Amino acid sequence: GNSVTQMEGPVTLSEEAFLTINCTYTATGYPSLFWYVQYPGEGLQLLLKATKADDKGSNKGFEATYRKETTSFHLEKGSVQVSDSAVYFCALSDSDTGNQFYFGTGTSLTVIP
Amino acid sequence: EAQVTQNPRYLITVTGKKLTVTCSQNMNHEYMSWYRQDPGLGLRQIYYSMNVEVTDKGDVPEGYKVSRKEKRNFPLILESPSPNQTSLYFCASSLLSSPEQFFGPGTRLTVL
Repeated sequence: GNSVTQMEGPVTLSEEAFLTINCTYTATGYPSLFWYVQYPGEGLQLLLKATKADDKGSNKGFEATYRKETTSFHLEKGSVQVSDSAVYFCALSDSDTGNQFYFGTGTSLTVIP
Repeated sequence: EAQVTQNPRYLITVTGKKLTVTCSQNMNHEYMSWYRQDPGLGLRQIYYSMNVEVTDKGDVPEGYKVSRKEKRNFPLILESPSPNQTSLYFCASSLLSSPEQFFGPGTRLTVL
């Protein structure tokens, strides 16, 4: 079946530190992969996406590359800011299962000045 | 403004009292979905719909009902709520041609 496993949190970093949040997946077909971000008290917002192998999604300084050989989609940012403090969710959508979405458990990031 | 709206945003109720959480989108999306978010479990899909009159179970459908009589609306119905349905609920929608989902602001439900 389909599933997403993401790095346990919480993660605390100092401003300007490098961020990596690991995400691996299991899928029966050829999924699309996503990172969503949830700021305190808000709904989820799409951060970036990749729809096929070797695609790189990027937005607001965040990047993730769809690696089919390692079934991974790790989120990275070179220099985090306090405003990046949020919960980050890795997710996949598999058209073989009717566009059903599968989310990871979320990783809480706190960036301190 | 393109958006997904949910009502109510907060609800406290008692065991067994039927309730409905409404969800509406103004983007003409075919696909709509309900999730619940619980600490340590992330988001789990309850039901989804790929078009009017078409609904399917997600991973945790027990205790919930949905209907899709109109394209823009996708209400979530709890016929007899129980305390284990206390959670944060999100509605989402997307085009079938693009899997990116747009989320509503969430409904925090407490069942006593």
